Amino acid sequence: EMQLVESGGGLVQSGGSLGLSCAASGFTFSTYWMHWVRQVPGKGLVWVSRMSGDGVYRTYADSVKGRFTISRDNAKNTLYLQMNSLRVEDMAIYYCAREALGAGRQTDAFDIWGQGTMVTVSS
Amino acid sequence: QSALTQPASVSGSPGQSITISCTGTSSDVGNYNLVSWYQQHPGNAPKLIIYEVTKRPSGVSDRFSGSKSGNSASLTISGLQAEDEADYYCCSYTGRSSLVFGGGTKVTVL
Repeated sequence: EMQLVESGGGLVQSGGSLGLSCAASGFTFSTYWMHWVRQVPGKGLVWVSRMSGDGVYRTYADSVKGRFTISRDNAKNTLYLQMNSLRVEDMAIYYCAREALGAGRQTDAFDIWGQGTMVTVSS
Repeated sequence: QSALTQPASVSGSPGQSITISCTGTSSDVGNYNLVSWYQQHPGNAPKLIIYEVTKRPSGVSDRFSGSKSGNSASLTISGLQAEDEADYYCCSYTGRSSLVFGGGTKVTVL
């Protein structure tokens, strides 16, 4: 079964740091672009960051650029998100998601999602 | 990057068809056939139901269909069923190596 399992969420003070992990199983992890998407409970989805399968390319939403770092370890089938200088507005459920494969090109669509991990930022 | 615009809510009776719009700009929806749609039931992770504007992943009901015209994309649910009651989100590539979601639409089955 193809699966993503996030971990690392918790309570942190404003200005603090937190690292999230996403363990993948059931598919060839290194083949896929991976993303982080967040959602304030009861609100909409917001794209955060993405990384290519080989770890070479990464991009970020403007709201987290310079504060968050996406990385991956293909030997461990794990995606990471290091979050620094956290703000109250970063408080959300963080999902990792796999990008669906297209016919030799990116689809920018997320076909497998984890269950999410909650990040709470206190002021 | 501003969120794509979706109606806050749409409702319909069982068996009816409903359409959810997703309006962007010529920089995102209008310029790329990289619009996807997600269904999210309360407490669950989102589920992909449409990608690349019109394609359905394996296992997704053919009652779901997607289209695009200009800067707007649409999701149509035909033969509305009680299980379709959920939140729906569109998403598009923006051409700035980033993606943007819509604000979400709550579908109610009357």
